[in-house]
Amino acid sequence: SYVLTQPLSVSVAPGKTARITCGGDNVGSKSVNWYQQKPGQAPVLVIYYDSDRPSGIPERFSASNSGNTATLTISRVEAGDEADYHCQVWDSSSDQGVFGGGTKLTVL
Amino acid sequence: EVQLLESGGGLVQPGGSLTLSCAASGFTFSSYAMSWVRQAPGKGLEWVSGISGFGGGTYYADSVKGRFTISRDNSNNALYLQMNSLRADDTAVYYCAKDDSLMVVLRVDSWGQGTLVTVSS
Repeated sequence: SYVLTQPLSVSVAPGKTARITCGGDNVGSKSVNWYQQKPGQAPVLVIYYDSDRPSGIPERFSASNSGNTATLTISRVEAGDEADYHCQVWDSSSDQGVFGGGTKLTVL
Repeated sequence: EVQLLESGGGLVQPGGSLTLSCAASGFTFSSYAMSWVRQAPGKGLEWVSGISGFGGGTYYADSVKGRFTISRDNSNNALYLQMNSLRADDTAVYYCAKDDSLMVVLRVDSWGQGTLVTVSS
């Protein structure tokens, strides 16, 4: 089955840029979505179709997807961005949804 | 406003059964695929099962295939997950999730608040 790999944690100082990677075999050929999840809350979609932002998501959130790595970039990080971030694809070869293990973003 | 309200969670013994429900409102239910996504305590998200808007396509994770059954009632805007032969590793918060497509592509634009299922003796 298809596997997505994320780092367990990423730390960044306020105002700096955070980058969270999501690795998978030729993930660039798939459409990647990213979700933000704060403690005790349901996830929220922050990026879809590799790099599109839903309405209401700040422009500070951007993403790319190429080759074997998709990347979520959060610019000018704020304390309120501290959360778990999950990448996800739909694997059409197996007709199954796949999530990465999630990355905990810590704002120092 | 889209609202998804799960119910039916609780404590069940290993080998037991449970049925989860999700009441949907605020959108044309039959026009969107739906999924169940779970999260074990302290763990990441795991897709469990999905169903297309008209109910003709159903999909399952390998971990639940043959034990869980997803269904929907478009006349009552409801999604269900029948869970049989439950195991300890099925313990998780189960989220009802709305896709932004008629077909299941797991591009989830709305989530419920989740219902906790605990499998333990």
